[in-house]
Amino acid sequence: EAGVAQSPRYKIIEKRQSVAFWCNPISGHATLYWYQQILGQGPKLLIQFQNNGVVDDSQLPKDRFSAERLKGVDSTLKIQPAKLEDSAVYLCASSLALPGETQYFGPGTRLLVL
Amino acid sequence: GDSVTQMEGPVTLSEEAFLTINCTYTATGYPSLFWYVQYPGEGLQLLLKATKADDKGSNKGFEATYRKETTSFHLEKGSVQVSDSAVYFCALSDLGGSWGKLQFGAGTQVVVTP
Repeated sequence: EAGVAQSPRYKIIEKRQSVAFWCNPISGHATLYWYQQILGQGPKLLIQFQNNGVVDDSQLPKDRFSAERLKGVDSTLKIQPAKLEDSAVYLCASSLALPGETQYFGPGTRLLVL
Repeated sequence: GDSVTQMEGPVTLSEEAFLTINCTYTATGYPSLFWYVQYPGEGLQLLLKATKADDKGSNKGFEATYRKETTSFHLEKGSVQVSDSAVYFCALSDLGGSWGKLQFGAGTQVVVTP
């Protein structure tokens, strides 16, 4: 069974530029998560989707971050404009729809903002 | 709010030594508890989990017991190998709160030397 796919794996941009990350969850997983992992810290949830609806986006900086999950499968996370403090690894995870189900993580996208 | 505290690293051990990583949590409900591992250059992988008090999760020689009375979920392994070198994250999912959201600790880096 294929795992969670993410692209790109690495991205370097200048501050104030925009960037987008893509995630393809495990087939059949209705729940999709985006986490931000800053160096030396644990991952922090940015947004959680159930199918194509948002369940939790309380930690998403909505003035610059946006995410969508059209058709309830793939998802895109965008940052516009980027700031230096956005340098981090962006992790996508997916799980079955039931609460408490195991989350499976993708390899992450490492973003460096200069 | 919910939180997870785990011991700081790095923890440096010799091969075949005993490993303990302490993890304590604060939660308003009855959380499920997890240990995730991140090997160098790879994504997060679920190592083990426990969903209720006194449950013991185990995998690959690692064990952790859900202790409600001490709000702890310490990770142990009796004899570590060089291949266990990784960053270990303790996490909780409080189903009474955000639906399936994982709250992570800061991570503990473990270095095993031959």
